[in-house]
Amino acid sequence: GESVGLHLPTLSVQEGDNSIINCAYSNSASDYFIWYKQESGKGPQFIIDIRSNMDKRQGQRVTVLLNKTVKHLSLQIAATQPGDSAVYFCAETPGYALNFGKGTSLLVTP
Amino acid sequence: DTGVSQDPRHKITKRGQNVTFRCDPISEHNRLYWYRQTLGQGPEFLTYFQNEAQLEKSRLLSDRFSAERPKGSFSTLEIQRTEQGDSAMYLCASSLGTSVDEQFFGPGTRLTVL
Repeated sequence: GESVGLHLPTLSVQEGDNSIINCAYSNSASDYFIWYKQESGKGPQFIIDIRSNMDKRQGQRVTVLLNKTVKHLSLQIAATQPGDSAVYFCAETPGYALNFGKGTSLLVTP
Repeated sequence: DTGVSQDPRHKITKRGQNVTFRCDPISEHNRLYWYRQTLGQGPEFLTYFQNEAQLEKSRLLSDRFSAERPKGSFSTLEIQRTEQGDSAMYLCASSLGTSVDEQFFGPGTRLTVL
């Protein structure tokens, strides 16, 4: 069936380095993509979103890239900080229900 | 704090008991969603309301599960005859509902069925 998945389950980076988290999706009907951050014991927190008519969107220290040709989504975090340590999920939807991937655990080391 | 609140935050119950969770969305949000999340997995969609109307239900929502949003504001999710497999984090989210838009999540209710 259609699914959203992540290439790497865990990612360890040094404080100050840039982080890149990747995600593959298979539902070609999806037109809205979101990255969420989830800290232990908390609900997912919105980071950044992108619609299918765009290929790049920038926020504060974060950039999302969308490649519809290969159905790939990435999240770039600049100058990663200890507070960025969390699980990151990509999600997509062709309608209203979000379809989440399994998540990538980001660990920022000093 | 996103403005979406859920109660209780934790619930421990014995198998076979009924449980009810409450979600209070952001006040001006028309849409309300329920998701379930098990350890190490991403959230899975359960159901969604536009105002008081329940518009979409996942196959995950068995007949033991029922959700309501009677006045288009808060919502309740009830699980009858709980099973150990129901143990999970139950997340509520809300959105403005003007189009396919950003969903704001609450902190979740963690259910443990013994």
